[in-house]
Amino acid sequence: DTAVSQTPKYLVTQMGNDKSIKCEQNLGHDTMYWYKQDSKKFLKIMFSYNNKELIINETVPNRFSPKSPDKAHLNLHINSLELGDSAVYFCASGRVSSYNSPLHFGNGTRLTVT
Amino acid sequence: ILNVEQSPQSLHVQEGDSTNFTCSFPSSNFYALHWYRWETAKSPEALFVMTLNGDEKKKGRISATLNTKEGYSYLYIKGSQPEDSATYLCAFRAGNQFYFGTGTSLTVIP
Repeated sequence: DTAVSQTPKYLVTQMGNDKSIKCEQNLGHDTMYWYKQDSKKFLKIMFSYNNKELIINETVPNRFSPKSPDKAHLNLHINSLELGDSAVYFCASGRVSSYNSPLHFGNGTRLTVT
Repeated sequence: ILNVEQSPQSLHVQEGDSTNFTCSFPSSNFYALHWYRWETAKSPEALFVMTLNGDEKKKGRISATLNTKEGYSYLYIKGSQPEDSATYLCAFRAGNQFYFGTGTSLTVIP
């Protein structure tokens, strides 16, 4: 079973559309994250969420919003897509209650806005 | 956003050479330092999680050290093999947030 799964793997859409990327983890982790990979392959934190708090990177446009129906899911919703939103988005999960627990990543979603 | 720096940005070595990379991070509010291996078209996979100053971890030919007082970690690869070619990321944990460096891209030439 895949530990952290993202769907879709590829997403091509037009400017102005609204789209969602789904993420699910079956590891029982308490915290989930969204990262954006920029053109230089740098992973930039967008959001982290557990059942107690949502932490938003202040540089993320408010067109991006995380939605978590339960502890195992953290979906990323994007309104009014722009060309600059084209990137690979990675979901990750971790057990932050343990200092020795690594992050587990999904396989990424390549978003292309035309 | 915290500043986590890695050097060098890229590295080409011959098969059999040993090599090392550096990760620099803030010396305050330290929770843990992670190393990940990221192959092209895949997702990052954890190599090590280090939490204590002076920690040393080893997995096969790969090892890592940690100095939290001066804010750096080294990753060593002994006898590099072509399958070691990947980007190596470090991540600094502050609280429940993980801040990644820009990575070191390693190419091992057969």
